[in-house]
Amino acid sequence: DQQVKQNSPSLSVQEGRISILNCDYTNSMFDYFLWYKKYPAEGPTFLISISSIKDKNEDGRFTVFLNKSAKHLSLHIVPSQPGDSAVYFCAASALIQGGSEKLVFGKGTKLTVNP
Amino acid sequence: DVKVTQSSRYLVKRTGEKVFLECVQDMDHENMFWYRQDPGLGLRLIYFSYDVKMKEKGDIPEGYSVSREKKERFSLILESASTNQTSMYLCASSLAGSNYGYTFGSGTRLTVV
Repeated sequence: DQQVKQNSPSLSVQEGRISILNCDYTNSMFDYFLWYKKYPAEGPTFLISISSIKDKNEDGRFTVFLNKSAKHLSLHIVPSQPGDSAVYFCAASALIQGGSEKLVFGKGTKLTVNP
Repeated sequence: DVKVTQSSRYLVKRTGEKVFLECVQDMDHENMFWYRQDPGLGLRLIYFSYDVKMKEKGDIPEGYSVSREKKERFSLILESASTNQTSMYLCASSLAGSNYGYTFGSGTRLTVV
């Protein structure tokens, strides 16, 4: 049972346009959401996050939107650049035993930004 | 510059071999994790640890074991490597009780022949 879903395996956009990556979740206990970016042969790197008490968080060209009622979040990249081409993983966090967290990842969306 | 270091970037092993993947972090993080990444399957959690000498099974622990004798080191062990364990293995660590997410290592690409 997949608790975090990224339904689009791939996305292709033109340089300068907006990229929108989507993520849905099923567990209402998730209270923190993160996006990671991964280049081939490298580990994922943290990109941006949002707490469940907010509906928007912005960092430069990257904005994450959270719709709690729909259990949906999205990552917007504006303007998209060729260097943004990577696999993007959505992750959700819930605090469990001992105050520690465990992240649940989606399967990823491969973004290609064409020059 | 804080780091999670995985000892090997690429490994080739034979079927049936015992394989050790090592991970060391220098951030004094309590939590450490092992994932594997496969095309179309995303990141799948194998094992994790919240403290020294403590381990918990993740979603796909079969065929693997782990060891955490020191806080900074978390080892993944393939008891008898099989071809279906060919994958990218990723180690991560995090601070207990925080929402800062994980810091990942660069990964080990393991090929079992």
